Amino acid sequence: EMEVVESGGGLVQPGGSLRLSCVASGFSFSSYWMSWVRQAPGKGLEWVANVKQDGSEKYYVDSVKGRFTISRDNAKTSVYLQMNSLRAEDTAVYYCARVQRAGTTDWYDPWGQGTLVIVSS
Amino acid sequence: SSELTQDPAVSVALGQTVRITCQGDSLRSFYASWYQEKPGQAPVLVIYGKNNRPSGIPDRFSGSNSGNTASLTIIGAQAEDEADYYCNSRDSSGNHWVFGGGTKLTVL
Repeated sequence: EMEVVESGGGLVQPGGSLRLSCVASGFSFSSYWMSWVRQAPGKGLEWVANVKQDGSEKYYVDSVKGRFTISRDNAKTSVYLQMNSLRAEDTAVYYCARVQRAGTTDWYDPWGQGTLVIVSS
Repeated sequence: SSELTQDPAVSVALGQTVRITCQGDSLRSFYASWYQEKPGQAPVLVIYGKNNRPSGIPDRFSGSNSGNTASLTIIGAQAEDEADYYCNSRDSSGNHWVFGGGTKLTVL
């Protein structure tokens, strides 16, 4: 069964840092793009970042560019999100998802259960 | 444009048909994918590409595309279909992705 499991969330002060991890199983991890998506309390889904199979391409939503870094370790079938200079508006459940890309279509499946990040003093 | 626009809320009578739409300029170039999210649960992929359903998704769910609009149609809506639905696609640059604001579906 394909599965991704996130960890690393928690309470952090504004300006602080946190590193999220996502471990994948049940599929050939190194063959897929991976993604982080977040959902602030009571709000909709927001794409955060994607990373290519070999880590050579990384893309970010403008609001986190320069503060967040997505990375992966194919040997550990894991993807990470290093979050620095955290702000209150980064408070959200962060989901990890596998990305499938085929021509002009992409889709996210499976998703993890998410890890909650709270930025507050 | 990097935006995808969805109606915030839609309702449907039990057993009837409902269409949820997603509009955006990038949909002229890229297909949308659709996700169902129920309270306290992770999103689940329901439709991707031209009109593809992952295994386990009932065939009452279907997708279509016309111009700048992608649509998710549920024929014979069931009580368990009550959820938030989100579309997703690349933006016009092709290197960023965006979700629509979501549509809350109520089954009456």
